[in-house]
Amino acid sequence: NAGVMQNPRHLVRRRGQEARLRCSPMKGHSHVYWYRQLPEEGLKFMVYLQKENIIDESGMPKERFSAEFPKEGPSILRIQQVVRGDSAAYFCASSLQGVQETQYFGPGTRLLVL
Amino acid sequence: AQTVTQSQPEMSVQEAETVTLSCTYDTSENNYYLFWYKQPPSRQMILVIRQEAYKQQNATENRFSVNFQKAAKSFSLKISDSQLGDTAMYFCAFTPYGSGNTGKLIFGQGTTLQVKP
Repeated sequence: NAGVMQNPRHLVRRRGQEARLRCSPMKGHSHVYWYRQLPEEGLKFMVYLQKENIIDESGMPKERFSAEFPKEGPSILRIQQVVRGDSAAYFCASSLQGVQETQYFGPGTRLLVL
Repeated sequence: AQTVTQSQPEMSVQEAETVTLSCTYDTSENNYYLFWYKQPPSRQMILVIRQEAYKQQNATENRFSVNFQKAAKSFSLKISDSQLGDTAMYFCAFTPYGSGNTGKLIFGQGTTLQVKP
């Protein structure tokens, strides 16, 4: 009974490159949340997706960031033209039905921008 | 604005003793869930305990229990018989539910707990 999977676990990019972070939810879960944790801070909500739909992107920066959760395959968080301030841990969490359901977290992807 | 405040950046406790981590929150919602998550050095986020706001009874999970005071908007975590493996950062979080809410978690800044042998 695999938990939430994220890959890569560590990602190093140079300024201006693209970063792609992947999240496979727990089996049977169709709701995915992405959070960002800056150094020495708590997690901040970015985006909430269901299969093929973005439900809430109120925490997502308006530029360079995008997310998708296709019908088949993992959810993807994409960061274009990365800057040093994007260096953080990015966590995804999945739940069975979204609201009122406990979210289970993946191990996170640590992004370092050089 | 909905916020979560953890006023203790760092705490320490001797092994086998009891420690309480504090958390307060601010919301105008009446229906919500509260959580404590643990983040050990591996940085994996692990659910410790969950409380439904409509329940008056405090949640308990083995050595972990909460003191939920809805009127005061307070949600503290008590760890009994502390173990070395409890060393971690602990995050308090809540999520309102009901019309217009999407289940996103709002986290506090965290409390780093060190259990000393």
